[in-house]
Amino acid sequence: ETGVTQSPTHLIKTRGQQVTLRCSSQSGHNTVSWYQQALGQGPQFIFQYYREEENGRGNFPPRFSGLQFPNYSSELNVNALELDDSALYLCASSGWNEQFFGPGTRLTVL
Amino acid sequence: GQQVMQIPQYQHVQEGEDFTTYCNSSTTLSNIQWYKQRPGGHPVFLIQLVKSGEVKKQKRLTFQFGEAKKNSSLHITATQTTDVGTYFCAGHRTSGTYKYIFGTGTRLKVLA
Repeated sequence: ETGVTQSPTHLIKTRGQQVTLRCSSQSGHNTVSWYQQALGQGPQFIFQYYREEENGRGNFPPRFSGLQFPNYSSELNVNALELDDSALYLCASSGWNEQFFGPGTRLTVL
Repeated sequence: GQQVMQIPQYQHVQEGEDFTTYCNSSTTLSNIQWYKQRPGGHPVFLIQLVKSGEVKKQKRLTFQFGEAKKNSSLHITATQTTDVGTYFCAGHRTSGTYKYIFGTGTRLKVLA
């Protein structure tokens, strides 16, 4: 048990819709990273937030955006959903280096 | 673009046999982390290697970081059924915006 929680567990959306995923980081961790993991593949880095500021971004379009709140919890927003956005979305909180992953949100886009 | 490749993609071993997965980055890394993901689960941190040529051991697991900090390996001695899962390396860069790059993973199946 990592202490990182994500909601919802599962979500079904249709193309063109928007979705917000949420992550509560482990106590004391001020850095949250978001990943997209397609079936059978490794996690792909979306972006990282450190003390409420974006601190790094992977190769994802601007319709993927995020927020980090003063309590270090975080949101991932995806606009104009596409079929290829179907994946497991993982958040990971970290203090220094080790990343603690949450259980993920399984997003299905129909 | 920057890539981290892992070989093999799949490995089936008989319980008690050894297992090794190799990780290769196209660029020099600040450090490398290893994770294990069980089927249906999320990645769980195993270890971090920082120094060139570093070797670390955790019971039956041995981790190495290459001299050029571009490759790494994970070796499991005498595999057990509890070792089943996918093993990922993750290259960490402190420069640039692309912080973490996960490898393609090696899926290990242990036959009892």
